[in-house]
Amino acid sequence: DGGITQSPKYLFRKEGQNVTLSCEQNLNHDAMYWYRQDPGQGLRLIYYSQIVNDFQKGDIAEGYSVSREKKESFPLTVTSAQKNPTAFYLCASSIGWQSNQPQHFGDGTRLSIL
Amino acid sequence: GQNIDQPTEMTATEGAIVQINCTYQTSGFNGLFWYQQHAGEAPTFLSYNVLDGLEEKGRFSSFLSRSKGYSYLLLKELQMKDSASYLCAVSYSSGGSYIPTFGRGTSLIVHP
Repeated sequence: DGGITQSPKYLFRKEGQNVTLSCEQNLNHDAMYWYRQDPGQGLRLIYYSQIVNDFQKGDIAEGYSVSREKKESFPLTVTSAQKNPTAFYLCASSIGWQSNQPQHFGDGTRLSIL
Repeated sequence: GQNIDQPTEMTATEGAIVQINCTYQTSGFNGLFWYQQHAGEAPTFLSYNVLDGLEEKGRFSSFLSRSKGYSYLLLKELQMKDSASYLCAVSYSSGGSYIPTFGRGTSLIVHP
């Protein structure tokens, strides 16, 4: 079955540490997205990528970085510059940037500070 | 920027009908999505509207008025499993691509 896989499900970060959240999809989708979800805040866009080797900042990109070296993979690094990283992180994909298609979401990674 | 408003929380009784509203102010509007999200889980797609009118899918229907910047999700014959958060997302065009912006979500609680 095709889908999006996020790992790990739970992640803990120490002060001053960078951590990387994995997102892999086998839907052959061109577009991929990272969202952060806090209670009462809905989904806020961190980064998105419309094609391999290209990505754009979303509304809250500060303290985060991404790469898109393969179509299937869009990892998110939460750097030490992100002072309030505790949140639920969701990865999503859609068919392409030229189509207005619904997004498919992974099951999320819950990040906490130790 | 985008401004998408939804009520924070709604309650309803099992078997009843509930309407969840969403209003938006956006330029380059290119469609509106509704998603359902159970606590701690991934959002799942419910419906999509790009033209004015009502789209029906079983117990769920979604309505759009582009001139009024208004949409609603209608849930009929409510079941306990419908207790979830409902997310309104507006798609807008930017440089030829479509970037969805989400509202804060409406938490629906269904009582027996």
